[in-house]
Amino acid sequence: EAGVTQSPTHLIKTRGQQATLRCSPISGHTSVYWYQQALGLGLQFLLWYDEGEERNRGNFPPRFSGRQFPNYSSELNVNALELEDSALYLCASSLARAVDTYNEQFFGPGTRLTVL
Amino acid sequence: AQSVTQPDIHITVSEGASLELRCNYSYGATPYLFWYVQSPGQGLQLLLKYFSGDTLVQGIKGFEAEFKRSQSSFNLRKPSVHWSDAAEYFCAVGSRGYSTLTFGKGTMLLVSP
Repeated sequence: EAGVTQSPTHLIKTRGQQATLRCSPISGHTSVYWYQQALGLGLQFLLWYDEGEERNRGNFPPRFSGRQFPNYSSELNVNALELEDSALYLCASSLARAVDTYNEQFFGPGTRLTVL
Repeated sequence: AQSVTQPDIHITVSEGASLELRCNYSYGATPYLFWYVQSPGQGLQLLLKYFSGDTLVQGIKGFEAEFKRSQSSFNLRKPSVHWSDAAEYFCAVGSRGYSTLTFGKGTMLLVSP
């Protein structure tokens, strides 16, 4: 069974540009999560999509946005890139949201975004 | 708000020696607790998890962790470290119904010969 896949592996942009990162979840998973892993800041939760809807958002500015497509794949967009957006962006997927329990998240290998 | 503290940024252990990585959490209810490992250039791999029940949980690669509610801790242990265990280790807490994870800042494990 294929795991979570992310593309591209590496992305280099300049300040002010836009970046688009993509994630394909494990087959059967409907929830997708995005995390930012920046140097010195650890892993921080960005966004959570479930069944095409944004369910939760971390403490990030609105220029970080995304969407989830009908096939449950997801896209993270970062507008007006700043130097501090340089980080590893990890995507994870899980089974559908459950009110009274917790569904394990499976992580992809990440996209390394470098902003020059 | 939930939070996770990993007090050790780096730890160096001799190969074959025992290992304990510390994790303290802050959460209002019974937490879901996790340990992940990240090798250089890789994503996160789940080592073990605690949801409820037995407070000593076994994971992959010979790791175990003990949940101590009174100390708000979930320390990771391994009796004998191998050179291939060198990586960064993250403790995380999850909340029921919301599924997002809050991570600690990680502990980098170095294994000396």
